[in-house]
Amino acid sequence: LAKTTQPISMDSYEGQEVNITCSHNNIATNDYITWYQQFPSQGPRFIIQGYKTKVTNEVASLFIPADRKSSTLSLPRVSLSDTAVYYCLVGFYSSASKIIFGSGTRLSIRP
Amino acid sequence: NAGVTQTPKFQVLKTGQSMTLQCAQDMNHEYMSWYRQDPGMGLRLIHYSVGAGITDQGEVPNGYNVSRSTTEDFPLRLLSAAPSQTSVYFCASSDEGQRYEQYFGPGTRLTVT
Repeated sequence: LAKTTQPISMDSYEGQEVNITCSHNNIATNDYITWYQQFPSQGPRFIIQGYKTKVTNEVASLFIPADRKSSTLSLPRVSLSDTAVYYCLVGFYSSASKIIFGSGTRLSIRP
Repeated sequence: NAGVTQTPKFQVLKTGQSMTLQCAQDMNHEYMSWYRQDPGMGLRLIHYSVGAGITDQGEVPNGYNVSRSTTEDFPLRLLSAAPSQTSVYFCASSDEGQRYEQYFGPGTRLTVT
């Protein structure tokens, strides 16, 4: 299993773009990168997944450089409701067995 | 679809008591898992199952048992509750071809005194 490293916490302000970077130096060729969001008192929610370059959906964008040793989750124009913990996971999406969550990044958005 | 349901929402146990946390999903997902989350911490995998009749241990399996007799249900049994098992327990499920896209239940908040 590829180990991931994320910042413990980040602060930002409403309306700003927030970028959370995850390091995964020993990512395997078949591994995908998946991000989850967890609001207080709720279970995590899948937000985005990618293999290389850039993936965008209605919630976020995911940027993956060519060497794939890191990835960046980008949240455009954040609001107070984006305050949450964000988890980066790495593994093969279709046959993974142990799906391990790290400690995540606690994002706090201020008015 | 109800998605992933968990019962009970809250539970208080005395040390040494046993109980079963229930988890059910109606999405016909093959993969199911149990996590625990201690205050201010990330999720830790307890047990998981890749299909009916197949279970395996995660990161922190001691003190817990699971079984998977049907695709829909994946109960978690605490054999003899200890205060260290005070935590929030989440059940999750995902489709065979997209295991990392897990759907989580609302959680069970367990306190052991």
